[in-house]
Amino acid sequence: TQLLEQSPQFLSIQEGENLTVYCNSSSVFSSLQWYRQEPGEGPVLLVTVVTGGEVKKLKRLTFQFGDARKDSSLHITAAQPGDTGLYLCAGPSTSGTYKYIFGTGTRLKVLA
Amino acid sequence: GAGVSQSPSNKVTEKGKDVELRCDPISGHTALYWYRQSLGQGLEFLIYFQGNSAPDKSGLPSDRFSAERTGGSVSTLTIQRTQQEDSAVYLCASSLGGSYLYNEQFFGPGTRLTVL
Repeated sequence: TQLLEQSPQFLSIQEGENLTVYCNSSSVFSSLQWYRQEPGEGPVLLVTVVTGGEVKKLKRLTFQFGDARKDSSLHITAAQPGDTGLYLCAGPSTSGTYKYIFGTGTRLKVLA
Repeated sequence: GAGVSQSPSNKVTEKGKDVELRCDPISGHTALYWYRQSLGQGLEFLIYFQGNSAPDKSGLPSDRFSAERTGGSVSTLTIQRTQQEDSAVYLCASSLGGSYLYNEQFFGPGTRLTVL
């Protein structure tokens, strides 16, 4: 069974601080996605990483895919209250269907 | 361009009743997914449609759950004889259905189901 474990589960920080969120698995994923979900809304895709070792930047967010494609990280520089939300990683199942495996989520709160 | 819509946004029902949840995907999206999210946690895959067929129903928790999609568009998730453990937010997502490796899923706002 493919699982994606995220850590930490909860994170509360002050505006301006840096943070890193992790997404780990014992299975190899062909790609991984990161989504952000705000209260009362569905998740919104932030990025897709597809190559082992790949690094992608989206403004203050930096995403990295592990060399072995079993893990990924999301680093936020100088966090802002607008970054508050639930961060989810997700990857396609190796079953060959369109099933996606979602991580357990990291709930981030950035205090002004 | 409208996004994915779901109805109702909230549903409160009594244990043992049947409920129907509706999803209207983005026009032209051939792939449609249903997920369940409990207490703001991660998403639990329920079922996936490609067109009107469901090649993967492996996530449906029990035979009380069923889903259909008609005309390659609207989908309905039905829960029969609801139980309290069915209480959750049910999310629908659609995608173009191209390469499943890089599929961007567009999510609706969800239906919050509460079973009393």
